[in-house]
Amino acid sequence: SYELTQPPSVSVSPGQTARITCSGDKLGDKYVCWYQQKPGQSPVVVIYQDTKRPSGIPERISGSNSGNTATLTISGTQAMDEADYYCQAWDSSTVVFGGGTNLTVL
Amino acid sequence: EVQLVESGGGLVQPGGSLRLSCAASGFTFTSYWMSWVRQAPGKGLEWVANIKQDGSEKFYVDSVKGRFTISRDNAKNSLFLQMDSLRAEDTALYYCARIDSSGYYFDYWGQGALVTVSS
Repeated sequence: SYELTQPPSVSVSPGQTARITCSGDKLGDKYVCWYQQKPGQSPVVVIYQDTKRPSGIPERISGSNSGNTATLTISGTQAMDEADYYCQAWDSSTVVFGGGTNLTVL
Repeated sequence: EVQLVESGGGLVQPGGSLRLSCAASGFTFTSYWMSWVRQAPGKGLEWVANIKQDGSEKFYVDSVKGRFTISRDNAKNSLFLQMDSLRAEDTALYYCARIDSSGYYFDYWGQGALVTVSS
C-alpha cells in the first residue's frame, strides 16, 4: 500500500520560515493537499492540488510538490500556526494521509 | 452554510456493532462523494471509506474491509457507517467529511463522533 512519510515534529522561531515535508514514491505525479489541525478541532485544508490556497488561508502558507517530496512552507511563522499538519494524496480510489507533523513555534 | 453533524458514537464491547450517522445540510448532498475519516486518541488521521454520489461505488481501507459498510440516504441528506465486529483498535473519533467537487481533498469536516471499543 502507498505510504506518505512526514517528520513527527518541526520547530521554528516566530517570524522564521517553517518547512514540513511529505515524501512518497513518485509523489510529484499525484496531487497533494495539506490540513492543519489544532487541539480539539477538526482538520482544515490549507493547501490543495499541491499549491492552491482556499479562501481565508493567508498567502504566507504555500505548497510545492516535485519528485518524491511535497513541501508545506509557512513564511513569517506566527504563534497561531502552531498545530499538527497532515499531507494527503490519493492512491487509485483510496486516500492516504501522512503520519502528521507537530509544528512548534518557539 | 455547509454543516456535517455526526451522531451514534458510544461505548461498545469488542465484537459488537455500532452505526454512525452524519446529517448534511447547506449544500446539494447528491453532488458530492462523501467519506469517513477516523483519528485514534493522540494519533494521526486515517481514511476509512468513501462513497460515490449515488452510492454505486464504495471504497474502504484494508483494515475495515468486511467489517464496516458505508452507505447514504440521499433523500434524507444522510451518510452512515455500519461498524461490525469492532475491535479495540477501532477506538477513535470518526469524522464525516465531504470530498471537494474536484475530487482531491476534503473541504468540509464534521466535529466527529467518538467510538470506544472496550470491555
